[in-house]
Amino acid sequence: AQSVAQPEDQVNVAEGNPLTVKCTYSVSGNPYLFWYVQYPNRGLQFLLKYITGDNLVKGSYGFEAEFNKSQTSFHLKKPSALVSDSALYFCAVRDGMYSGSGGSNYKLTFGKGTLLTVNP
Amino acid sequence: NAGVTQTPKFQVLKTGQSMTLQCAQDMNHEYMSWYRQDPGMGLRLIHYSVGAGITDQGEVPNGYNVSRSTTEDFPLRLLSAAPSQTSVYFCASSFGQGRSYEQYFGPGTRLTVT
Repeated sequence: AQSVAQPEDQVNVAEGNPLTVKCTYSVSGNPYLFWYVQYPNRGLQFLLKYITGDNLVKGSYGFEAEFNKSQTSFHLKKPSALVSDSALYFCAVRDGMYSGSGGSNYKLTFGKGTLLTVNP
Repeated sequence: NAGVTQTPKFQVLKTGQSMTLQCAQDMNHEYMSWYRQDPGMGLRLIHYSVGAGITDQGEVPNGYNVSRSTTEDFPLRLLSAAPSQTSVYFCASSFGQGRSYEQYFGPGTRLTVT
């Protein structure tokens, strides 16, 4: 079974400082990893994904994430935080191992989310 | 493209009432899914579909039904609402041919059951 852990419910950083939102995962095969952001009263928006290749993935709004296979982690980072980055961030994983026919191959498992607050 | 649309945005039901949450997408996506979001629990998968006529259960399917008669629409039915179904519901879609594809989410429906 696949799972995702976001160990921090909340992260606070000052504007201009670097930010990191942590994510660890567990899958049977190779992982497909995603980060989403949710602004208040909105749906989730896709930020970036890791499928294969370079361990450092760049995404929208200046965010990037580093895939670390040995630590089974996919932490989200940004060099300089903005107040407008304040939102709820979700990490998600899909197992790359094919589990036979049917839709179970497409299921995405989400972490519980991390609330990022960037203080002016 | 409108993307993924959901109606209604807000709904209040009494215990025992039924209703249908509507979801539509205009991106010709094969895969569609319904999630519920509760504080501190992230998103939990209710039901999903890999194409018209094909649906399956997620991790929290009890009390909900789905059908998929067209590629575009994937309604979620609550047969007899319960207070435990008070939540925010999100519909999402993605291309179904590859598992590397990200999901696109609708704006959500906030449901309160009294």
